[in-house]
Amino acid sequence: AQSVSQHNHHVILSEAASLELGCNYSYGGTVNLFWYVQYPGQHLQLLLKYFSGDPLVKGIKGFEAEFIKSKFSFNLRKPSVQWSDTAEYFCAVSRGAAGNQFYFGTGTSLTVIP
Amino acid sequence: ETGVTQTPRHLVMGMTNKKSLKCEQHLGHNAMYWYKQSAKKPLELMFVYSLEERVENNSVPSRFSPECPNSSHLFLHLHTLQPEDSALYLCASSQDRVGTGDTDTQYFGPGTRLTVL
Repeated sequence: AQSVSQHNHHVILSEAASLELGCNYSYGGTVNLFWYVQYPGQHLQLLLKYFSGDPLVKGIKGFEAEFIKSKFSFNLRKPSVQWSDTAEYFCAVSRGAAGNQFYFGTGTSLTVIP
Repeated sequence: ETGVTQTPRHLVMGMTNKKSLKCEQHLGHNAMYWYKQSAKKPLELMFVYSLEERVENNSVPSRFSPECPNSSHLFLHLHTLQPEDSALYLCASSQDRVGTGDTDTQYFGPGTRLTVL
């Protein structure tokens, strides 16, 4: 069965530290990959997505993610986090050739200390 | 972002009550979704509607009954729920490229926080 694993459940960083959140998926076929963010009290918003082309995807607010097909991974990175990045981050995978099926990870809670 | 709205935002109901959750999307999308978000669990996809037809029902108990009268509106009718059904219920929409299976980005509403007593 399709699954999405986010290895870090809770991450605490100081401002200006670098961030990398892991995401691995189990499906071997064509996939579309997403990172969503949920700020406190707000709804899920798209951070970035990968459909095809350059495996290094740049999103909003300085975030980027790299699709490594051989590792079934789509890790999220930011070189220098800010207090306003405190939020819940969700990795998601959709099966590109099989209709509307989205699979989400359990989420990673990021707390940035000023 | 008010592309996808949900009402009510909070709902408390007893196990014998009947209630409905409403979702409306203003983005011109043709696919809508219901998800359940529980603490410490991945988002669970419950139902998918594409062009107003249900295309996915992920083994959801019959006490949850979806309805999609048109491409902009989606309802989730609730009856005889259990306390374990307490969760955040999220609605989302996307522009499904019919015939290609290519799914576009999903846009989420703020959710309805449901508590079943």
